[in-house]
Amino acid sequence: NAGVMQNPRHLVRRRGQEARLRCSPMKGHSHVYWYRQLPEEGLKFMVYLQKENIIDESGMPKERFSAEFPKEGPSILRIQQVVRGDSAAYFCASTMSGTRYGELFFGEGSRLTVL
Amino acid sequence: QQQVKQSPQSLIVQKGGISIINCAYENTAFDYFPWYQQFPGKGPALLIAIRPDVSEKKEGRFTISFNKSAKQFSLHIMDSQPGDSATYFCAASQKMKTSYDKVIFGPGTSLSVIP
Repeated sequence: NAGVMQNPRHLVRRRGQEARLRCSPMKGHSHVYWYRQLPEEGLKFMVYLQKENIIDESGMPKERFSAEFPKEGPSILRIQQVVRGDSAAYFCASTMSGTRYGELFFGEGSRLTVL
Repeated sequence: QQQVKQSPQSLIVQKGGISIINCAYENTAFDYFPWYQQFPGKGPALLIAIRPDVSEKKEGRFTISFNKSAKQFSLHIMDSQPGDSATYFCAASQKMKTSYDKVIFGPGTSLSVIP
């Protein structure tokens, strides 16, 4: 499967625990977006990363949320000390580097439930 | 100014009918307008896109109409089929100073096509 891979697909955490969501982009893609999808609210931009660089994190909450995209391995969205309001579907999308008007290729999402 | 508005929130259309979804934006820096289709449990996938130098783009049964002066665009699905039942997101993209495309999504429209 050459598509965008996200795992885990479903994650249950208790309040105060940490959640780590992973995203492997399509082969040949070195740019990753993370979006959060809440019911009735569509896709909210969180962060845009290139390999080893955070380019735009203007959509990330200032506390508890962080993202990385190391030279080797998947991109990771980390949520510390989760609260019930963090329950949502988190999607990552990858795209080729250096192209304008490029298609975003989405994974199937990671659905986080906070008890 | 980063917001993309979308209506209706939900839409029920009979098989063979025309589905129409409308979107509006404020930011004149947006210069690319894609539509994404999402089936339950899946990630969004690019359906069709338009740039503001044209007023209409058609691909099969799907047509985007674009009104630059009104800052509005719409998706028309002709001869709607039950298999078109999905959530549709309009989006708008702008080139950022760091030379990447920031893609902002509307809240989505849930389309149900009934036999």
